[in-house]
Amino acid sequence: QSVLTQPPSASGTPGQRVTISCSGSSSNIGIYTVTWYQQLPGTAPKLLIYDNNQRPSGVPDRFSGSKSGTSASLAISGLQSDDEADYYCAAWDDRLNGPLFGGGTKLAVL
Amino acid sequence: QVQLQESGPGLVKPSGTLSLTCAVSGGSDSSNNWGTWVRQPPGKGLEWIGEIYPSGTTNYNPLFKSRVTISIDKSKNQFSLKLRSMTAADTAVYYCAMPRSGSRFDPWGRGTLVTVSS
Repeated sequence: QSVLTQPPSASGTPGQRVTISCSGSSSNIGIYTVTWYQQLPGTAPKLLIYDNNQRPSGVPDRFSGSKSGTSASLAISGLQSDDEADYYCAAWDDRLNGPLFGGGTKLAVL
Repeated sequence: QVQLQESGPGLVKPSGTLSLTCAVSGGSDSSNNWGTWVRQPPGKGLEWIGEIYPSGTTNYNPLFKSRVTISIDKSKNQFSLKLRSMTAADTAVYYCAMPRSGSRFDPWGRGTLVTVSS
């Protein structure tokens, strides 16, 4: 099954800004909004960004999302050690008629 | 706020049927949406299984459509997953979550590890 394409890994040092990309197609990101999830080690995914760039209550404004065409990005500024986690993008897909997830990006804070 | 909790056996025999339940509690909007199931094989990414709406209508991932059933019990505020003909490839952490719109799920249950083994 096709997934949204994310880099398998990313890294940064404390205080740095990192971005994670998510590439899709005209049947998903191209026409639907993008969601981002954060999964800390050993825990369930947590909603981080929805509707491309909206943060749920309680999510710091260090996290931001954007979308352009069939791609999206998650940016994390002021990187902290607590940000070490797996990050997943997701979007509804017309061919699947359901939500499609990215393969996930493991973020390391060096 | 809404909370979800999965329950069910942690071990299923090959060719057997997985039965999981997700209990929904709290929140004034707990009846507005119902549920979705997502799984995550060990060390791998997330995979959507299917969802059920307040009307009882279901929507399944084609990968599972022939062997999955999602149902609801509104009187108990819970929804359930049945996945038949289990194989080792179905070993995963199974999560239930509350669908909001599109790919937005919030909150998620803590997940339950299901191992397929004889």
